[in-house]
Amino acid sequence: AQSVTQLDSQVPVFEEAPVELRCNYSSSVSVYLFWYVQYPNQGLQLLLKYLSGSTLVKGINGFEAEFNKSQTSFHLRKPSVHISDTAEYFCALRGAGSYQLTFGKGTKLSVIP
Amino acid sequence: NAGVTQTPKFQVLKTGQSMTLQCAQDMNHNSMYWYRQDPGMGLRLIYYSASEGTTDKGEVPNGYNVSRLNKREFSLRLESAAPSQTSVYFCASSEDWTGLDGYTFGSGTRLTVV
Repeated sequence: AQSVTQLDSQVPVFEEAPVELRCNYSSSVSVYLFWYVQYPNQGLQLLLKYLSGSTLVKGINGFEAEFNKSQTSFHLRKPSVHISDTAEYFCALRGAGSYQLTFGKGTKLSVIP
Repeated sequence: NAGVTQTPKFQVLKTGQSMTLQCAQDMNHNSMYWYRQDPGMGLRLIYYSASEGTTDKGEVPNGYNVSRLNKREFSLRLESAAPSQTSVYFCASSEDWTGLDGYTFGSGTRLTVV
């Protein structure tokens, strides 16, 4: 069985401040991890992914995430947010050999001017 | 470059009515998926098709059926709609069954069952 827990349902942050969106996972096999972003009234878009290799992965729009196997975490970070980053962010996991991508419940990021 | 196209965008059904949600992708992807999104629940997989000619149940298949009509199209059918099926439905596709290149999502169908 595999699961994804996003620890915060809502995160307000002031413009130009740093942000971290937290994601923890559980899986009995090796994992592949993803972050997706959903802007209002749109579908999801891939932000970044971890498949193997370097544990620090960079994505679009200045976001990055770090895979930490010992803490089973894959937190998303951005050093300075913009108003346009206001969206819902989803962490997702695929276990090795699995057909299914399991999503967390999402974190709504609100950037305050 | 259309990507994944879903129709309709909005639909209101009465309890017991049936309808089919359409999805088509133009990226020559092999695998396709149907998810539902409910507030505070994230996305939950309804059905998927790893390749043309195959379909399998996901996490929440009850009350739904699917058809992989050809490589491009993957439809979702509600035979007898219930208020619990009020949701936003997303179709997605990936290059292959691993999905490691990421999924491409459509813009969604907002369904209300009254």
